[in-house]
Amino acid sequence: GAVVSQHPSRVICKSGTSVKIECRSLDFQATTMFWYRQFPKKSLMLMATSNEGSKATYEQGVEKDKFLINHASLTLSTLTVTSAHPEDSSFYICSASPGPFSGINEQFFGPGTRLTVL
Amino acid sequence: AQSVTQPDIHITVSEGASLELRCNYSYGATPYLFWYVQSPGQGLQLLLKYFSGDTLVQGIKGFEAEFKRSQSSFNLRKPSVHWSDAAEYFCAVGGRGYSTLTFGKGTMLLVSP
Repeated sequence: GAVVSQHPSRVICKSGTSVKIECRSLDFQATTMFWYRQFPKKSLMLMATSNEGSKATYEQGVEKDKFLINHASLTLSTLTVTSAHPEDSSFYICSASPGPFSGINEQFFGPGTRLTVL
Repeated sequence: AQSVTQPDIHITVSEGASLELRCNYSYGATPYLFWYVQSPGQGLQLLLKYFSGDTLVQGIKGFEAEFKRSQSSFNLRKPSVHWSDAAEYFCAVGGRGYSTLTFGKGTMLLVSP
């Protein structure tokens, strides 16, 4: 149980285009989803936290207009990298949590999406 | 502010030898502690977690970790390392009542024949 999927697993795009990454909880309802970014040989950096039906909370230094997050349902959150540039190339990982009232205080991670911007 | 320190960037262990990966945390309340493993180009797999109770926690793949409150540590151990254990290991801390996770910078485990 507690499976989280991400799509696509890899994407290559041209500079200036927008890319959408989907994160789905397959067998549970995710009240909250998290988006992380991981640079090569580095740790995970939390970008934002999104609760279903409300606006995402972004970490300091993360451009909310650049990284659009939508959490429209209890099983789907999307991250859109707008007007992507080579410096946005990274490994993006999402996680999902059933939330505090489920009694499960844990995040379940997706397999990640490798974004390469040419 | 919460933080996690993994003092070893790389560790090399001979196959069959024992392993200990260090993790120290800073957290203002009782922490939730996690160890994750990541293979190259892959997502995170949870090895084990500590929420409360017995301070020695058993996980998957033969791993265990011990929570020591007095030392603010949550070190990961395995009695006999297999070549397939070579990967990046991350320690993370979160709080009760639900909160975000803070990750350490990771320790890369290399296994020599």
